[in-house]
Amino acid sequence: GENVEQHPSTLSVQEGDSAVIKCTYSDSASNYFPWYKQELGKGPQLIIDIRSNVGEKKDQRIAVTLNKTAKHFSLHITETQPEDSAVYFCAASRNNAGNMLTFGGGTRLMVKP
Amino acid sequence: NAGVTQTPKFRILKIGQSMTLQCAQDMNHNYMYWYRQDPGMGLKLIYYSVGAGITDKGEVPNGYNVSRSTTEDFPLRLELAAPSQTSVYFCASRDIAGKETQYFGPGTRLLVL
Repeated sequence: GENVEQHPSTLSVQEGDSAVIKCTYSDSASNYFPWYKQELGKGPQLIIDIRSNVGEKKDQRIAVTLNKTAKHFSLHITETQPEDSAVYFCAASRNNAGNMLTFGGGTRLMVKP
Repeated sequence: NAGVTQTPKFRILKIGQSMTLQCAQDMNHNYMYWYRQDPGMGLKLIYYSVGAGITDKGEVPNGYNVSRSTTEDFPLRLELAAPSQTSVYFCASRDIAGKETQYFGPGTRLLVL
């Protein structure tokens, strides 16, 4: 089955700096890669996603890049703000019966004011 | 729309007890999922359903059962609770195939002592 690894597990940045979180996946048939943000005591919320036919996608301060050959994808957050502090999860799925997501282990991002 | 709702928010169980975690969605989504999240870890899929009357196992189904008698509800049953089932449980739903975004509930924190 699919295996998703995520690095780093914790990341501390100064407000205004950029943050990058990286994920690798094992199943070359995976074709959908979402990123979720989880705030303390809440369920994960989708912040951006990318499909395998696209190399990069951007939404304001957030961008995701995908390298299918190397089987890795990354989340980039620019001009970080204290409210970006949360746990971020990457995930991958393929076109199977339930389009099941396999999640990475998570990255705790701390933005220091 | 309330989205995905889960009850209870928190529960303490004794070893060997049983309970049902409730999940409901009001978005008329076909797909529903149950995940568990252990401390500092990513989410692991327990069971999923692609429609009323259809359920299937995920990565970690042992010790759990589900049913899907309606589109809206997807309860998770724990029989003979064990300390290893101490976790936070998240329910999620998704629209039809081709719309991959999963929407998560707020979670149920379960402690088995």
